[in-house]
Amino acid sequence: DAGVTQSPTHLIKTRGQQVTLRCSPKSGHDTVSWYQQALGQGPQFIFQYYEEEERQRGNFPDRFSGHQFPNYSSELNVNALLLGDSALYLCASSPRQVGEKLFFGSGTQLSVL
Amino acid sequence: QKEVEQDPGPLSVPEGAIVSLNCTYSNSAFQYFMWYRQYSRKGPELLMYTYSSGNKEDGRFTAQVDKSSKYISLFIRDSQPSDSATYLCALFSGYSTLTFGKGTMLLVSP
Repeated sequence: DAGVTQSPTHLIKTRGQQVTLRCSPKSGHDTVSWYQQALGQGPQFIFQYYEEEERQRGNFPDRFSGHQFPNYSSELNVNALLLGDSALYLCASSPRQVGEKLFFGSGTQLSVL
Repeated sequence: QKEVEQDPGPLSVPEGAIVSLNCTYSNSAFQYFMWYRQYSRKGPELLMYTYSSGNKEDGRFTAQVDKSSKYISLFIRDSQPSDSATYLCALFSGYSTLTFGKGTMLLVSP
């Protein structure tokens, strides 16, 4: 049983560029959440997708947007990248919309130069 | 005051030691308490989950919750070098999403 898979594992971008990160949830899970983890910090909630709609959003600007597909996979898009966007981006899935037992992928390490 | 406070460490112990990791929180709405373990360059993995005050044991790990003091702990007995990782406490109110602590880095030396 494949867990949560994320791609790519590493990414290097320059300021002002746009980036798309991808996530496939664990089998049987229909809810995907995205987190940003800066170095030395705990994960910070970006947003959650369920039934192809954004259901909850953390304190992140509109430069951060997402999408969920009918097969439950999800994308995170970040526009106009800033140096401060450099972080580990984690995707987590759960079997229902309000889920506390999140299963995380290994993340995408984004470096903005 | 932050919602969840956790000492970032690092905490260095010899193999076989008993490890105590702690978090305090300020919001009494939190009802579910979790500990995640995160190895370097990996995503967090759920280690312990509890929703009531008291102790919950799983092998060498014991999670302790004191809702009256808003204090949660994770104890690791007979610590092993493979336990070296960052331990994140995570709290859930039932209505939103997880709120994580900063994580405590644990180093267990052989």
